[in-house]
Amino acid sequence: DGGITQSPKYLFRKEGQNVTLSCEQNLNHDAMYWYRQDPGQGLRLIYYSQIVNDFQKGDIAEGYSVSREKKESFPLTVTSAQKNPTAFYLCASTRGGGPNEKLFFGSGTQLSVL
Amino acid sequence: AQSVAQPEDQVNVAEGNPLTVKCTYSVSGNPYLFWYVQYPNRGLQFLLKYITGDNLVKGSYGFEAEFNKSQTSFHLKKPSALVSDSALYFCAVSRANAGKSTFGDGTTLTVKP
Repeated sequence: DGGITQSPKYLFRKEGQNVTLSCEQNLNHDAMYWYRQDPGQGLRLIYYSQIVNDFQKGDIAEGYSVSREKKESFPLTVTSAQKNPTAFYLCASTRGGGPNEKLFFGSGTQLSVL
Repeated sequence: AQSVAQPEDQVNVAEGNPLTVKCTYSVSGNPYLFWYVQYPNRGLQFLLKYITGDNLVKGSYGFEAEFNKSQTSFHLKKPSALVSDSALYFCAVSRANAGKSTFGDGTTLTVKP
């Protein structure tokens, strides 16, 4: 089945540590996105990429970094500069990035601070 | 700037009764409107979207939504609720890029048997 795979499902970060969340898609989609979800809030866009080797900051990019070296992969690193990293992180993709396209989501990674 | 409001944090209905989850939006120009559903500890799943045309949009699992331009609303509806419909529902509006959609804060739907 085609879809988006996020790993790990649960992740724990120690003080001062960088952690990387994996996102892989086999939908052959060009555009990929990372969102942060906090309880009682909507999704907030962290970073997005519309093509390989290119990505842009979203609304809350501080303390995060990404890469897009392959079309199917869009890993997110939560750096030690992100002081409040506990959240549910969602990766998504669209075929081309147009405004009328539906988002396909992974199952998410819950990040917690030890 | 674009915004979405889901005025109800929680909606409770009895199984078999009709349900409505409300959404209002603000955007310059013509909106692209979406509904997504999220089950516990899972990603969001697409339900339906309004792009243009008929104001009543039909989607997955028997859901439908009515676009009302004058009231800037896009309420989600279902004629007969199921217990399995219990989940968190998000409304979203898009203008330039689907991934840059603005999402509402979500409405938790609970359907009681």
